[in-house]
Amino acid sequence: EDQVTQSPEALRLQEGESSSLNCSYTVSGLRGLFWYRQDPGKGPEFLFTLYSAGEEKEKERLKATLTKKESFLHITAPKPEDSATYLCAVHANSGYALNFGKGTSLLVTP
Amino acid sequence: DVKVTQSSRYLVKRTGEKVFLECVQDMDHENMFWYRQDPGLGLRLIYFSYDVKMKEKGDIPEGYSVSREKKERFSLILESASTNQTSMYLCASSRSSYEQYFGPGTRLTVT
Repeated sequence: EDQVTQSPEALRLQEGESSSLNCSYTVSGLRGLFWYRQDPGKGPEFLFTLYSAGEEKEKERLKATLTKKESFLHITAPKPEDSATYLCAVHANSGYALNFGKGTSLLVTP
Repeated sequence: DVKVTQSSRYLVKRTGEKVFLECVQDMDHENMFWYRQDPGLGLRLIYFSYDVKMKEKGDIPEGYSVSREKKERFSLILESASTNQTSMYLCASSRSSYEQYFGPGTRLTVT
């Protein structure tokens, strides 16, 4: 059975304190891994797609990496506006739908 | 910019009412999806559609039905709303193997 696990569930950082969020997955053939940001009461906002191990994508203070078993979302020198829930999802060979993790709730304090 | 819109941001309905949630996308995407999101349970797929008039059940289809008469529009129907269907409902669309784009969500309360 396909599984996506995100850790930690919640993370509190001081402004400027870099850290990483983890997404580990077990799927029957990976077609793509996706990272989303979700603000309270809003729909998820697409951030990155990763397709193969070794791939990296960057956007401002965020960098996503992928191995054969997990993905990391690195946050460098975060700001309070980076506070949100970050969701990871995988698209397996077996179908059309994405399998989502439960997310990591990030709080960045000034 | 991809745009997915949902008919209502907030909705309050009574138990037993028939509820329609509508979603429209403007990017000519083949695939459309309906999820619900609940605290502690994450995003769960209700139904999806990979073409006009085609639909597939997701993980939690019970109590729901869908309709896709036009490529850009995907409707979620609660035949007889119940309190356990109080939730945030999210619509998304995508091309074949690509990222899904989400709408703003509808917060439905069933009393």
